[in-house]
Amino acid sequence: DAGVTQSPTHLIKTRGQHVTLRCSPISGHKSVSWYQQVLGQGPQFIFQYYEKEERGRGNFPDRFSARQFPNYSSELNVNALLLGDSALYLCASSFPKETQYFGPGTRLLVL
Amino acid sequence: RKEVEQDPGPFNVPEGATVAFNCTYSNSASQSFFWYRQDCRKEPKLLMSVYSSGNEDGRFTAQLNRASQYISLLIRDSKLSDSATYLCVVPHGGFKTIFGAGTRLFVKA
Repeated sequence: DAGVTQSPTHLIKTRGQHVTLRCSPISGHKSVSWYQQVLGQGPQFIFQYYEKEERGRGNFPDRFSARQFPNYSSELNVNALLLGDSALYLCASSFPKETQYFGPGTRLLVL
Repeated sequence: RKEVEQDPGPFNVPEGATVAFNCTYSNSASQSFFWYRQDCRKEPKLLMSVYSSGNEDGRFTAQLNRASQYISLLIRDSKLSDSATYLCVVPHGGFKTIFGAGTRLFVKA
């Protein structure tokens, strides 16, 4: 079975732009979580979605939004990008409160 | 107090050594705990889950002390391949998951 997949793998944007990151969970998993990891720190929780509804949200500004589709894939959107948004964005899937399995991440660089 | 705090490290140990990491958490209602391993520029991967007093898997032992609100990870007979960052993970308030900042381990020949 395929693991969690994320696209794109790398992305370069400029300040003020918008970005959309995509995640496909492991087959059968209904929950997707998004994390931001900056260099030298642990992943910071952004959102968790289960059955297409937001079930948890971390301390991130409203510029960050997400959604989950009927096939349980998910998108993370970030508007008005700031330099500080440069990070590794990780997606994790689970079923739903059990062990989370991570995708390889999307590396975002904001210039 | 941070929700999850870990030994900052780095830990530099020779091959064959025993090393232990500690992690404290603030949410006394948390019932399950996890240790993940993260290699440089890679995604975190589950190492162990801890649901009761502890768990053991080969050279790795995780222990939970609910009264003092900490979990530990013990690695025996360290291998070069154990070099990585170890992340303590605590589900927090239902659908929120908190990661510690991680402890870096370097195992040297």
